[in-house]
Order: sequence, then structure tokens, then C-alpha cells
Amino acid sequence: QVQLVEFGGGVVQPGESLRLSCAASGFSFSSYGMHWVRQAPGKGLEWVAFIRYDGNGNNKYYADSVKGRFTISRDNSKNTLYLQMNSLRPEDTAVYYCAKDPRSYITMVHVWGQGTLVTVSS
Amino acid sequence: QSALTQPPSASGSPGQSVTISCTGTRSDVGDYDYVSWYQQHPGKAPKLMIYEVSQRPSGVPDRFSGSKSGNTASLTVSGLQAEDAADYYCSSYTGSNNLVFGGGTKLTVL
Repeated sequence: QVQLVEFGGGVVQPGESLRLSCAASGFSFSSYGMHWVRQAPGKGLEWVAFIRYDGNGNNKYYADSVKGRFTISRDNSKNTLYLQMNSLRPEDTAVYYCAKDPRSYITMVHVWGQGTLVTVSS
Repeated sequence: QSALTQPPSASGSPGQSVTISCTGTRSDVGDYDYVSWYQQHPGKAPKLMIYEVSQRPSGVPDRFSGSKSGNTASLTVSGLQAEDAADYYCSSYTGSNNLVFGGGTKLTVL
């Protein structure tokens, strides 16, 4: 069955960087678009970023709140999704979920990982 | 992109039906059928309950149903059971290569 496992969360100071990884299994990873979605403590869900199945060129989209600071990427040979987070702010503190789209292009979140917690604090 | 609007809370007694609304705009809910609903229990990852307005993934009880009228989507839970108590979120594609979520509704089974 589809499985998504996130890695890389932790505690960082404001202004620092962190890279999250998501290991995918149980499906043809290179055929599907992938998302990152986050949830601040006690708050609702916020879509963060999406990458199309091939991850080439302009096939990456971001929420305004992270544009220019976060970069989504993928390695289809390793069935792995990434989120590079730079210039982190306290408001980026959240559980970050890796999620699969049912299509190669952006439509919706279909399957979720278990999440990894990122805390930005001095 | 503004969040979709959901009531913060909803409730019903076991066996009753409850409907949760999700209001967007012509640029998201009103223009696309990529409307989804997710259930989230405390400390757990969200789970897809309804996709493309009214489709149910395999394994989701048929007590859960979805619909849309204009800029507002709705999730109805019939025959409420104790395990239905959770937070529910709607989501929509926006046409700007973005997704937007609702603020969430806490469903209480009385």
C-alpha cells in the first residue's frame, strides 16, 4: 500500500535552514505529483508546495507565505521528495506532511504521511 | 489566497445527521470540482473522506457524503457514530496552481 515517511524535522533558530525528506513506497512515485502541507500547533492545515511528476523547470508551485524561502524537489530514482527550508521564521513552526496527489498535475491531496515536526525558536 | 470558510464547530447526537459547509469563491470551489474533505483525529494525520465533491474512497463508510452548490461545498455525516468525532477540513484547487484549505470544523458527537 502507499506509504509516505517524512524525516528531518527538528529544532532550529530563526534564520537557519532545514531540509525535510519524504520516502515514498507502494506506488509508482515518478508518475505522481507530490505536495507538502503543514499544520501549526493547534491550527488548521496550510498547503505549502507542489511538484509535478517530473519536477522539471517551472513545474513547482508555492504558497505565498513560503515563496522565495522554500524549495520543493524530488529524486525519482530514489523515490524521495524534499523540502529545503531557508530563512526559517517562528511562524514556520508546524508539523510538515508529505502528501501524494492522485494525478501527475496538481488537483488535491490524496494520501498523507505521518508528519514531522519543525520548531523554529531562539 | 484566502482560506475557505468553515464553521468552527458542529455537533449532533448518535444516529443523527450533521452537515458541515465550506464556502469559497468563484475562483476555487465555484469553478472546480477538485473539492475534498479530510478527517483528522487528535495527534493523527488527516485522512481523505471525500474527493471531487462527492466521491468516496474505498473504505470510507457511505454515511459520509459530499455535495456542492455554487461557491459552497458541504459534507454530510449521517447516522453519527462516536468515532466520527474529529476535526474536518475541506480543500479546493484554486486554478492558480495552488490548493486552499478551510479553517476546520470540530465535530462533536453528543
